Amino acid sequence: DIQLTQSPSFLSASVGDRVTITCRASQHISNYLNWYQQKPGKAPNLLIYAASTLQSGVPSRFSGSGSGTEFTLTISSLQPEDFATYYCQQFNDYPYTFGQGTKVEIK
Amino acid sequence: QVQLQESGPGLVKPSQTLSLTCTVSGGSIRGSHHYWGWIRQSPGKGLEWIGYIYYTGSTYYHPSLQSRVAISVDTSRNQFSLTLTSLTAADTAIYYCARRSRYAFDMWGKGTKVTVSS
Repeated sequence: DIQLTQSPSFLSASVGDRVTITCRASQHISNYLNWYQQKPGKAPNLLIYAASTLQSGVPSRFSGSGSGTEFTLTISSLQPEDFATYYCQQFNDYPYTFGQGTKVEIK
Repeated sequence: QVQLQESGPGLVKPSQTLSLTCTVSGGSIRGSHHYWGWIRQSPGKGLEWIGYIYYTGSTYYHPSLQSRVAISVDTSRNQFSLTLTSLTAADTAIYYCARRSRYAFDMWGKGTKVTVSS
């Protein structure tokens, strides 16, 4: 199975901060990497697919980059509604796998 | 707007079989190159893809669950279902149904909590 390792696992930040989350894959996955946001008690919500394409309706302060084995999710200016847990997920090979998550909390 | 809704028991005994159904509304389960799947989330294992099905009946399962899992589809009811046998406490989780588009799981149900306990 392809392992996805996110860093950091926990992040404390303030409104307006620029935030970057990294996802590293245990093998090459091209650009088959997605990012999801999950708020407490809710299902994950797709933010970015194919490493860098913004899902319809997602604010432009979210962006994704990377290919191969290293990927990043950036929030350019953190908003109160962005405090949540973020997961990466690979679509390159079965079984599909997720990262362990990065929890973004208010400083 | 397509919506997905899970239904099924919240409590199941060890060694028994779990059956969950996902009802799709606002769109047809047939065609459109979408697959329909199940993902679960537990504190111990995080998010885990279980498998998915195409409306024709083609299925793909997580290898670690393949011997215990089956996903079926009922196009007449616009539903698909999960069956998981020989349950243990490790199967306790929130179970989500989700739509798989070409690149990602782009629509999710709200999730249903399943506890395996005697």
